[in-house]
This record gives sequence, structure tokens and C-alpha cells, in this order.
Amino acid sequence: GAGVSQSPSNKVTEKGKDVELRCDPISGHTALYWYRQSLGQGLEFLIYFQGNSAPDKSGLPSDRFSAERTGGSVSTLTIQRTQQEDSAVYLCASSLRLRGSYNEQFFGPGTRLTVL
Amino acid sequence: GNSVTQMEGPVTLSEEAFLTINCTYTATGYPSLFWYVQYPGEGLQLLLKATKADDKGSNKGFEATYRKETTSFHLEKGSVQVSDSAVYFCALSENAGGTSYGKLTFGQGTILTVHP
Repeated sequence: GAGVSQSPSNKVTEKGKDVELRCDPISGHTALYWYRQSLGQGLEFLIYFQGNSAPDKSGLPSDRFSAERTGGSVSTLTIQRTQQEDSAVYLCASSLRLRGSYNEQFFGPGTRLTVL
Repeated sequence: GNSVTQMEGPVTLSEEAFLTINCTYTATGYPSLFWYVQYPGEGLQLLLKATKADDKGSNKGFEATYRKETTSFHLEKGSVQVSDSAVYFCALSENAGGTSYGKLTFGQGTILTVHP
């Protein structure tokens, strides 16, 4: 079956512009996560959606970052007024979320963002 | 907060050599522990996991044992192959009831290169 997909695979933008990154999770997965992989910071958690609950935004680095998940499926990560330090690979993951247990997170291929 | 520390790489080995990549963690409560692998040009994949103390996770000849007393989850393989060349990430997730339930905290990653 289809895995987690992300688009675009690569994005080059100029400093100060806004960008939108998209994630399509595996069908039926109720939990969706965004992470960022950069040289300086390694792999860091950004935001987590679970069903209809309020998202856990505790990892977002600044108020320039926001994300939404429409209809419990597709998610969009938006970065406003991009800065060079935002350059990184943005990873999306999804999982089933059964109460009281951990479920494997399946990762997408990522979007490589370069801010010039 | 939670944290994961991996031995620094890169690690370079000859085929059939023994591999150990050290991983220690700091967490509240008793987290689940994971090793993820990222092969060249591919996305993150779960390699193995252990959800409670003394559990041993294993897959593809790799093993890691959850050691609560030393807060460690070292990755081992008895005989590496060229195809094992990849980046390996140790990670943890709090179990149900934890404030950070579900999201992964990653180590810095260790680059492994295996030569024929």
C-alpha cells in the first residue's frame, strides 16, 4: 500500500518568502507528526496531531511556523518569512494511535528546504 | 526534559566486523526505545524497538537490549555487511500517561560505513 508522501521533494526559496510543505499520511493513521532534520540540530520534533485533539505544538521553533491538518488527513506545514536557519529536511510521519500503546511511526521521504 | 546521546561517528568497519553503537538516554518514567535507520537516499525506517526494561529488540541481525539500570540501549551486530552502511538513530518515546507521549526524541545519528 501507499506510504507517507510529501511534496515538494525539494524547495528553494528566497529569504523572507513564505513556504508551504504538504504531507499525505497513510490512510487510516490518526496520528501525524512533523520533524526537522538539520546539520546543526539533528532530528527535532516540531508538532503532533492526534485525531480531533488539539495539536501538540511544543516543538515549533518560532511563531513563523504553523501547521494544520484538514479532515484528519492531509497536513500542511507553513513557514512564514523564511530565514536561512530554516534550511533543513522537513519530515512527516504517521501512525495508528491505539490508547495506551505505542505504534510505529512511518516516515515520508522528506522535503528539502533551502533558503537563499 | 528527555534526551538521547549516541556515540559520535562516523564509524568505519570492514565487512564481517562486529558493530556496537552506544546509546544512553534521560527520560521521565519508563520510555519506549527505538533504533531507526536511514539508508542513502531513503527515508527513516524503524529498525527495532523495546518497550520495557530488559526487552531485547532484534531485526536483520541487529540487537539492542533495554537496560534501565544503565539507561542504555546499545545497538549491536555480530557481522556487518556493506549493505548496512547507513545513518543510525537512537530514539525514545514516553509511554502512555507521559506528557510527551507519542513524539520521538532522537539522538544525533551515527554514520556507519562498511567496506568490502
